[in-house]
Amino acid sequence: EVQLVESGGGLVQPGGSLRLSCAASGFTVSSNYMSWVRQAPGKGLEWVSVIYSGGSTYYADSVKGRFTISRDNSKNTLYLQMNSLRAEDTAVYYCARDRVRGASYYFDYWGQGTLVTVSS
Amino acid sequence: DIQMTQSPSSLSASVGDRVTITCQASQDISNYLNWYQQKPGKAPKLLIYDASNLETGVPSRFSGSGSGTDFTFTISSLQPEDIATYYCQSGVYTFGQGTKLEIK
Repeated sequence: EVQLVESGGGLVQPGGSLRLSCAASGFTVSSNYMSWVRQAPGKGLEWVSVIYSGGSTYYADSVKGRFTISRDNSKNTLYLQMNSLRAEDTAVYYCARDRVRGASYYFDYWGQGTLVTVSS
Repeated sequence: DIQMTQSPSSLSASVGDRVTITCQASQDISNYLNWYQQKPGKAPKLLIYDASNLETGVPSRFSGSGSGTDFTFTISSLQPEDIATYYCQSGVYTFGQGTKLEIK
């Protein structure tokens, strides 16, 4: 059974840092594209970042230069390092597995989400 | 960047009604359009991929159609458990604004 479990969220001051983790089971993280998607309180979904199976990484403009996506193959875990956090980064962060079919990308499994609150 | 315009933003319907949500892309995206359901406090769930393919285990009352720039998501007979917010997503990670579906 495929399962994704996020952790690491919490309250952080503006300008601070936080690292989110997403432990996967039932499949191999390094063999898949993996993304982070966030949802600000009461708002819609926003894609944040993806890491391809080959290791290439991409980011939304809103987080480029501040967030870093990575994975630990030995732990089958995905990470999101978030630096220089701003109030507008406050959101529930979901990790999700990408299913890729040619030029089509979509998210077939999601974690339960972890809440990040940026406030003084 | 591709923009996705979803409508309506909210919708109230009765049990048994046919419900339709539309999503328009700012440029041709072929059939690379996906639909998700999100219930309050829960993660999104994939319902439809590549415009019209039903994800395994999803009830057949859900369907999708369209290609190019115009897409439609339909619930053929609304059930109480379908109360949720629905999102479209283009194949390059852009989401629509969401449609909040409520029971009348």
